[in-house]
Amino acid sequence: NAGVTQTPKFRILKIGQSMTLQCTQDMNHNYMYWYRQDPGMGLKLIYYSVGAGITDKGEVPNGYNVSRSTTEDFPLRLELAAPSQTSVYFCASSPPPGTSETEQFFGPGTRLTVL
Amino acid sequence: QKEVEQNSGPLSVPEGAIASLNCTYSDRGSQSFFWYRQYSGKSPELIMFIYSNGDKEDGRFTAQLNKASQYVSLLIRDSQPSDSATYLCAVRSGGSYIPTFGRGTSLIVHP
Repeated sequence: NAGVTQTPKFRILKIGQSMTLQCTQDMNHNYMYWYRQDPGMGLKLIYYSVGAGITDKGEVPNGYNVSRSTTEDFPLRLELAAPSQTSVYFCASSPPPGTSETEQFFGPGTRLTVL
Repeated sequence: QKEVEQNSGPLSVPEGAIASLNCTYSDRGSQSFFWYRQYSGKSPELIMFIYSNGDKEDGRFTAQLNKASQYVSLLIRDSQPSDSATYLCAVRSGGSYIPTFGRGTSLIVHP
């Protein structure tokens, strides 16, 4: 049981490049989330998904896209990277809210720098 | 705009003392309240959640919720240097899937 895994751990992009951050969970959780965390700040929700084929925007979706073709995977796509996207990105998963609140798990994070 | 406010700290306490971390929120419709611990360079880890007014205890941790005053707090008894971390408060409204996070309070427990 690996929990939530993310790849890569670190990445440096040039302005205008694109990349996909991978996230996989093996707990059969319906709900998955992408957050970004800037230094000294809390977590800001980028996108979330309540199940395969269903995604929705969070607080800060501009510049990002997601897809959810399977329960396990929830990749985050950055198109045309900008310095403002320099951040640490966390993927998380959980059962439906209100069912088992202790089963919230975060991946180890991806530290992205855009130069 | 739903807001969750935390004092960024750092809060410094001696080993063995009680650390008290506070969080206020703006949305009166909030129903679920969470505390996460985040070590430097690591991901957040859920340590407590509460949804009823009053206290909830789990080991050395106690979460306190006062919906009338719109605050939730986390008490850490017998603080240890290993408790040194940033503590994030998160609040979720009824009917919402999405929590709103505060900026976190940095706690330093010194020997």
